[in-house]
Amino acid sequence: GAVVSQHPSRVICKSGTSVKIECRSLDFQATTMFWYRQFPKQSLMLMATSNEGSKATYEQGVEKDKFLINHASLTLSTLTVTSAHPEDSSFYICSARGVRGSSYEQYFGPGTRLTVT
Amino acid sequence: DQQVKQNSPSLSVQEGRISILNCDYTNSMFDYFLWYKKYPAEGPTFLISISSIKDKNEDGRFTVFLNKSAKHLSLHIVPSQPGDSAVYFCAASRQTGANNLFFGTGTRLTVIP
Repeated sequence: GAVVSQHPSRVICKSGTSVKIECRSLDFQATTMFWYRQFPKQSLMLMATSNEGSKATYEQGVEKDKFLINHASLTLSTLTVTSAHPEDSSFYICSARGVRGSSYEQYFGPGTRLTVT
Repeated sequence: DQQVKQNSPSLSVQEGRISILNCDYTNSMFDYFLWYKKYPAEGPTFLISISSIKDKNEDGRFTVFLNKSAKHLSLHIVPSQPGDSAVYFCAASRQTGANNLFFGTGTRLTVIP
């Protein structure tokens, strides 16, 4: 199957700092990338959808100024959590959909565990 | 508002027996359904999907059944193997609309050797 990587896999940061998470599609071109967030024992919640070269579309309730998404190329999307707070601590997962997958299959990265102290 | 629900947080099954994981949805606009398998600290891995024009889709040991009138789908794994132990998420989407996948809360399957 298609491979999607995320970096870093785990990050600890202090309140008020910013953290950047990278999502890469390694063996296909991802025209669309998705960012999800998962709290313990809860489902994955879509935060935003990004298409290469255009602005991301954020889901209701997600602060676009806090969660900056950039999809600069067909293989890379980044999520920057700005001015992080402890309540931003969560498991962030990206997924990618592109010409390799079928129309509705999303290939997920391994996730990034963010802990804000 | 949880549009996709998995009411059983966990399930234990003996190796070799059938595992049945259930999923219910509320949005009648959903017409494409997927099951994902997830190990700890990893992203979900696509397992099997079904379109609303079908009521059954089979792939090896995995079969997904869809009951549109009841807004219910289930994943059958037979025979269950210890390596199947993971969290299973069902997800739903609208073919003609958004990119969004709406996920259930997951069911942790434990296959006992």
